[in-house]
Amino acid sequence: DIQMTQSPASLSASVGDRVTITCRASHHVGSYLNWYQQKPGKAPRLLIYRTSSLHSGVPSRFSGTGSETDFTLTITNLQREDFATYYCQQSYSSPLTFGGGTKVEI
Amino acid sequence: EVQVVESGGGLVQPGRSLRLSCTTSGFNFGDYAVSWVRQAPGKGLEWVGFISNSVYGGETDYAASVKGRFSISRDDSKNIVYLQMNSLKSEDTALYYCTRDPGYSKYSWIDSWGQGTLVIVSS
Repeated sequence: DIQMTQSPASLSASVGDRVTITCRASHHVGSYLNWYQQKPGKAPRLLIYRTSSLHSGVPSRFSGTGSETDFTLTITNLQREDFATYYCQQSYSSPLTFGGGTKVEI
Repeated sequence: EVQVVESGGGLVQPGRSLRLSCTTSGFNFGDYAVSWVRQAPGKGLEWVGFISNSVYGGETDYAASVKGRFSISRDDSKNIVYLQMNSLKSEDTALYYCTRDPGYSKYSWIDSWGQGTLVIVSS
């Protein structure tokens, strides 16, 4: 199984900050890396697919980069509604696996 | 509007069975794959299993933790997916999400999530 390790597990930030979350895969996943945002009591929602493609309706302050084993989600000009937990997921091979999550707090 | 709605959750005793349903609307269901993803209380996301679209032959795949106990099926004529859960264990307690995968490759990404249905396995 491909293990997905996110760092940090949590971080504190302020409105207007630039935030970077990393995700490392235990084996190469090519570009098959996706990012989701989850707010408390809500279902996750897709932010980025295939490493860097912005899902429809997602603000352009979200961006993704990386390849093979190392990936990054960046949020520029952090907004209040961005405080949430973020998960990466590899869809390169079964079992599809998620990272442990990164909680972005004020 | 895309809608994905889970049902069938509840309280069940260990060792018993439960069937979850996922009813969809607002899109061409047959074009899409479906994954079930669960989230134990206060924990992260765990992929449970998957059923591909017709292009990939409706293949199923499961996490090791549920393989042999859970099965996924789909009825494209009714736009429904089922998750049959047998021999339930306490560690299966979670919110179960039905999710949509656009099916551009065997596994793509999850572009739509239901609101989840809660399964509690307890005596």
